[in-house]
Amino acid sequence: AQSVTQLDSHVSVSEGTPVLLRCNYSSSYSPSLFWYVQHPNKGLQLLLKYTSAATLVKGINGFEAEFKKSETSFHLTKPSAHMSDAAEYFCVVSVSFGNEKLTFGTGTRLTIIP
Amino acid sequence: DAGVIQSPRHEVTEMGQEVTLRCKPISGHNSLFWYRQTMMRGLELLIYFNNNVPIDDSGMPEDRFSAKMPNASFSTLKIQPSEPRDSAVYFCASSGRNSNQPQHFGDGTRLSIL
Repeated sequence: AQSVTQLDSHVSVSEGTPVLLRCNYSSSYSPSLFWYVQHPNKGLQLLLKYTSAATLVKGINGFEAEFKKSETSFHLTKPSAHMSDAAEYFCVVSVSFGNEKLTFGTGTRLTIIP
Repeated sequence: DAGVIQSPRHEVTEMGQEVTLRCKPISGHNSLFWYRQTMMRGLELLIYFNNNVPIDDSGMPEDRFSAKMPNASFSTLKIQPSEPRDSAVYFCASSGRNSNQPQHFGDGTRLSIL
């Protein structure tokens, strides 16, 4: 079985300050991990993915995430928040051998304060 | 490149009516997924296809829901008869052959059943 827990349902940061969105996962096998972003009235867009290569993964729009097996975490960070980053963020896990089913976290809503 | 295309974007209908949602996956992708998103339950996988064949429909809530994929470039999700509790945003996603390939989402169909 696999699961993800997004530790914060809502995060607010000031524009220009760092962003940290936390995610812990549980998986019986080597997982693939993803972060997706959803802007209002839009579908989910892939930010980045981890598939057992480098543990520090760089994504689009300046986001990155670090896979820490000992902590079963995959936190999403960005050094400096921009107003356009305001959205819902989903941490997602997939068992990486033929199982294409994704397990989604409950989401973290990121608010940027001007 | 064209992404996943869903139609209609919005649908409002009365309960008891048949509803058909449509999806065109990204060309060359061989897996297609239907999701439902609600405030209460988040993102739920309803069904997914691989090479046009339904692989897992365990998420389909009731017999009122059915999905087809007659060819590699088209899929439908049908609800008959519709009920108010079916109101949600329905997303279609597609992915490539490797099980670690990320899923690409359409912009969704916002369905309201009155």
